[in-house]
Amino acid sequence: EIVLTQSPATLSLSPGERATLSCRASQSVSDYLAWYQQRPGQAPRLLIYDASNRATGIPARFSGSGSGTDFTLTISSLEPEDFAVYYCQQRNIWPLTFGGGTKVEIK
Amino acid sequence: VQLVQSGADVKKPGASVKVSCKASGYTFTGYNLHWVRQAPGQGLEWMGWVNPNSGDTYYGQNFHGRVSMTRDTSISTAYMELNSLISDDTAVYFCARGSVTRYFEPTHFDYWGQGSLVTVSS
Repeated sequence: EIVLTQSPATLSLSPGERATLSCRASQSVSDYLAWYQQRPGQAPRLLIYDASNRATGIPARFSGSGSGTDFTLTISSLEPEDFAVYYCQQRNIWPLTFGGGTKVEIK
Repeated sequence: VQLVQSGADVKKPGASVKVSCKASGYTFTGYNLHWVRQAPGQGLEWMGWVNPNSGDTYYGQNFHGRVSMTRDTSISTAYMELNSLISDDTAVYFCARGSVTRYFEPTHFDYWGQGSLVTVSS
C-alpha cells in the first residue's frame, strides 16, 4: 500500500500568516491526491482534490500543488477557523490511504 | 446532500456492531458509500465501500472477513457491520460518499456523515 508522510506534525502560526503543509508519498500517486480539514469533534471536510482543484465552497486562500510523490497545501493567510488538523489522501490505487495529519495550532 | 449516521454504541469484546448511514439530497444509487474510521486521537483509516446500485463491496485487507457493508435502497441507507470486536476497534466510524463515479476507480470523499462512536469495553 502507499504510505503518505505528512510534515510537520505540528505547525504553530499566528492568524494572518502563511501555512505550508507537506505530504510525501512512498511511490507516485500521479496527481490523485486530496486534502481534508478536520476540526475537533467534526468530520473531515474536502478542501482540495486531484492535487490542485478546490472543492465546492472552499475559499481561495487554500491552494494545492504537486504531482508524483511530493505535494503541498498552502493557506495564504490563516483565519481563526483554519486552526485544525489537515490530512492528505491518495486515490491512485487501492487501498485508499491517508497521511498521519498536520495540526495547525495558534502560536 | 446529507449523510446521517446512527448514534453511539458500546459493545463487549467479541460482539458485533452495526452502524447505519442514511443518505438524502442526491441519487443514492449513483455513488459508492465508503466507511472510514478514526481511533481516539489518531488518524483516518479507510475500511471499504458498498455500491448502493449493485450491492457490490470492496474491503480493505485489514478488515477482510470481519466486516460486512450492505445497503437498503428502499430507505437510502447503508450499513457497516463489524464482527469479533476488540478494544482496538474503539473508534469513530464515518460514512463518506465517493465522488468519483467510474466503477472501481479509487476516489476522494466529498460528503461525510457526522460519525458514530463505537466503544469496545468489557
